[in-house]
Amino acid sequence: EAGVAQSPRYKIIEKRQSVAFWCNPISGHATLYWYQQILGQGPKLLIQFQNNGVVDDSQLPKDRFSAERLKGVDSTLKIQPAKLEDSAVYLCASSLEAGSGGYTFGSGTRLTVV
Amino acid sequence: EDQVTQSPEALRLQEGESSSLNCSYTVSGLRGLFWYRQDPGKGPEFLFTLYSAGEEKEKERLKATLTKKESFLHITAPKPEDSATYLCAVQGLTDSWGKLQFGAGTQVVVTP
Repeated sequence: EAGVAQSPRYKIIEKRQSVAFWCNPISGHATLYWYQQILGQGPKLLIQFQNNGVVDDSQLPKDRFSAERLKGVDSTLKIQPAKLEDSAVYLCASSLEAGSGGYTFGSGTRLTVV
Repeated sequence: EDQVTQSPEALRLQEGESSSLNCSYTVSGLRGLFWYRQDPGKGPEFLFTLYSAGEEKEKERLKATLTKKESFLHITAPKPEDSATYLCAVQGLTDSWGKLQFGAGTQVVVTP
């Protein structure tokens, strides 16, 4: 089975610029997650989708971050404008259903804001 | 709020030198505790799920155990390929959608 695909792998931008990340989950997985992992820390959930609806975005900085999951498949996460503290790895994960913790993660996008 | 604390932060082992990693947690009702392995430049890879105190799971040289307040990941006779960061995460009963709260991880280096 194909894994979770993410692109790009790396991105360097200047502060106040915008950036977008793309994720293609495992086929048939209803639940999709975006996590932020700052160097030396564990992943922190930003947003969780069930099919194409948002079920948890309590930790998403909504003044600058946005995400969508069109047709319940692919998803994009956008940051506009970026800040230095947004430098992190952005991980996408998917699971068959919400509540099954054995997520499959993608390899992530490493964002550096300078 | 659910909290997860992992110790030690880093662990350096000689090949064959067994050791244990600790994951202490605070949660309002535990739905599940999860262990993941993360290699540099990659996303976390799922290892185990534990649901109730006393439960144990094994995979090759790894064995995970669970009590009411903590979990241990035992690495028996480690090999260099066991070098990775090991992440622990909890899922609470009060979260309707099964969010995982991760610890900061333990970085394990196994030298030949």
